[in-house]
Amino acid sequence: QKEVEQNSGPLSVPEGAIASLNCTYSDRGSQSFFWYRQYSGKSPELIMFIYSNGDKEDGRFTAQLNKASQYVSLLIRDSQPSDSATYLCAALTSGGFKTIFGAGTRLFVKA
Amino acid sequence: GAGVSQSPSNKVTEKGKDVELRCDPISGHTALYWYRQSLGQGLEFLIYFQGNSAPDKSGLPSDRFSAERTGGSVSTLTIQRTQQEDSAVYLCASSSTRAQETQYFGPGTRLLVL
Repeated sequence: QKEVEQNSGPLSVPEGAIASLNCTYSDRGSQSFFWYRQYSGKSPELIMFIYSNGDKEDGRFTAQLNKASQYVSLLIRDSQPSDSATYLCAALTSGGFKTIFGAGTRLFVKA
Repeated sequence: GAGVSQSPSNKVTEKGKDVELRCDPISGHTALYWYRQSLGQGLEFLIYFQGNSAPDKSGLPSDRFSAERTGGSVSTLTIQRTQQEDSAVYLCASSSTRAQETQYFGPGTRLLVL
């Protein structure tokens, strides 16, 4: 079974710190990976996607992908209380268009 | 439309009744997905439509669940003989052919089966 695993948390960091969110996936053929943010009671919204090994930066967010280790991470620099949400990692499965989501990591940023 | 819309936003029904949930994707998006999210859980894939191709129904949990997409646009998810364990938020998402991987989610339908 193709799976995406995340630590459910909660992960608590002080305001201004770096939050590090991690994810592993089982389908070695997956090529595309996504981080979605979901505020309580709201729908997920895309933060970043990454296809290539290495780092991809967008403002305060950096996604990291290591296909050999089947590992994806999201770093949030200068964390703000407004970053408090659940972060969902997702992988596009090989050979199709089905996206498998992890259960999400809850992040709390303390003011 | 400006985004994915879903209706109703909330639905309360009695066990054993049938329900229909509607999704109106972003105009021009050919891919449409249905997910289910139980309280505090991640997204559970239900079904995927892409253009005129046969849908991927591999995530439907039982034969009480069915979905259709008419004219390549609006989709309806039907749950027959609802059970209490069907209570969840049902999310619809759509994506374009040029960026099929980026999914845009609707606000969801919160279903409560009493």
